[in-house]
Amino acid sequence: DTAVSQTPKYLVTQMGNDKSIKCEQNLGHDTMYWYKQDSKKFLKIMFSYNNKELIINETVPNRFSPKSPDKAHLNLHINSLELGDSAVYFCASSQGYGAEAFFGQGTRLTVV
Amino acid sequence: DQQVKQNSPSLSVQEGRISILNCDYTNSMFDYFLWYKKYPAEGPTFLISISSIKDKNEDGRFTVFLNKSAKHLSLHIVPSQPGDSAVYFCAAEDDKIIFGKGTRLHILP
Repeated sequence: DTAVSQTPKYLVTQMGNDKSIKCEQNLGHDTMYWYKQDSKKFLKIMFSYNNKELIINETVPNRFSPKSPDKAHLNLHINSLELGDSAVYFCASSQGYGAEAFFGQGTRLTVV
Repeated sequence: DQQVKQNSPSLSVQEGRISILNCDYTNSMFDYFLWYKKYPAEGPTFLISISSIKDKNEDGRFTVFLNKSAKHLSLHIVPSQPGDSAVYFCAAEDDKIIFGKGTRLHILP
């Protein structure tokens, strides 16, 4: 009964490849996020969607494209992967402003 | 440019004593603050929050204090237990949740 689930948990891929990370929440939340935790353990927001609409798009390369087919899903597609993309990516959801966010278990992406 | 700062990367506390984790922020427009706890290989889990109109919020062993004039908040855990060993993230919210770098808390037996 995982509230926010991401797949895969681990992803190892070569430079230049295109990959996707999927995220689903069963909490009925309207808002979903993608965060990146870099090598310095900094959790930085990448995107925020509210009811399938993009709300926040931080300074993220165009190679990263979020897709929200419905409000329970927010997938992250990454084109032309680079070494610097190696990080742990967390999906999260919340009921909206002023509400706590619930996080998935993270996807550890390693680009070789 | 860090808007939420946790200046102590790690903290060790004896079991049974009080753990105090500190956090500073720069944006006076933040009106909601949260603490998250994270174990290795897991996502952060929400612990406790406080609205900017309050200066204290308590939930069991966890208390968060907010000093708006100093732009400072702290998390108190008392008594500290072995299961409290984790990384604690302070976060602030305006239109998104912004996290500090985290403080690793070690509870010593």
